[in-house]
Amino acid sequence: NFMLTQPHSVSESPGKTVTISCTGSSGSIASNYVQWYQQRPGSAPTTVIYEDNQRPSGVPDRFSGSIDSSSNSASLTISGLKTEDEADYYCQSYDSSIYVVFGGGTKLTVL
Amino acid sequence: EVQLVESGGGLVQPGGSLRLSCAASGFTFSDHYMDWVRQAPGKGLEWVGRTRNKANSYTTEYAASVKGRFTISRDDSKNSLYLQMNSLKTEDTAVYYCARALRDNWFDPWGQGTLVTVSS
Repeated sequence: NFMLTQPHSVSESPGKTVTISCTGSSGSIASNYVQWYQQRPGSAPTTVIYEDNQRPSGVPDRFSGSIDSSSNSASLTISGLKTEDEADYYCQSYDSSIYVVFGGGTKLTVL
Repeated sequence: EVQLVESGGGLVQPGGSLRLSCAASGFTFSDHYMDWVRQAPGKGLEWVGRTRNKANSYTTEYAASVKGRFTISRDDSKNSLYLQMNSLKTEDTAVYYCARALRDNWFDPWGQGTLVTVSS
């Protein structure tokens, strides 16, 4: 079964840039689109990146997504960190193009 | 405003059943695939399953952890999505979210979630 692996936690200071990785267990992560969701405590997830590198309207351009086929991984980069960015972030893709797969989530601390 | 509102959560004993509902508004419900995703307390997101639209024969897919116990259905005339959960286990305890699938790839929006607790 295809799995997505994320670091458990990352931390960075306000104003800095942080990158969260999402590594596919097998096959090519580029075979299916990767999405990224932000979840603040007590709230439902919201999309920050869809289809590898697209931002929904209302998401600031401080958020960007990319795919690195050489490492079979996707990345979410947040620049100009703000305290409001502190949240859990989940990557999501597909197994066999049918079954939805989520990464385990990364807790971002902005300190 | 595009909105999803779940209902039907509660406390149920192991082995019991529960039916969740998700009411959709603000978009053409019948056009879209719809999914259920759950989150156990303090844990990450876990996909439960999907129902495709009429154009794709309302076919369904399920995570291995729930296949054979859970059934997803929809009523396009009522803009509603359902999750019938049978033979519930303590490990099914979670907040259950419904979500609209856009371009069959990504989820937006998500409902606010409904808590299901399986305990004796």
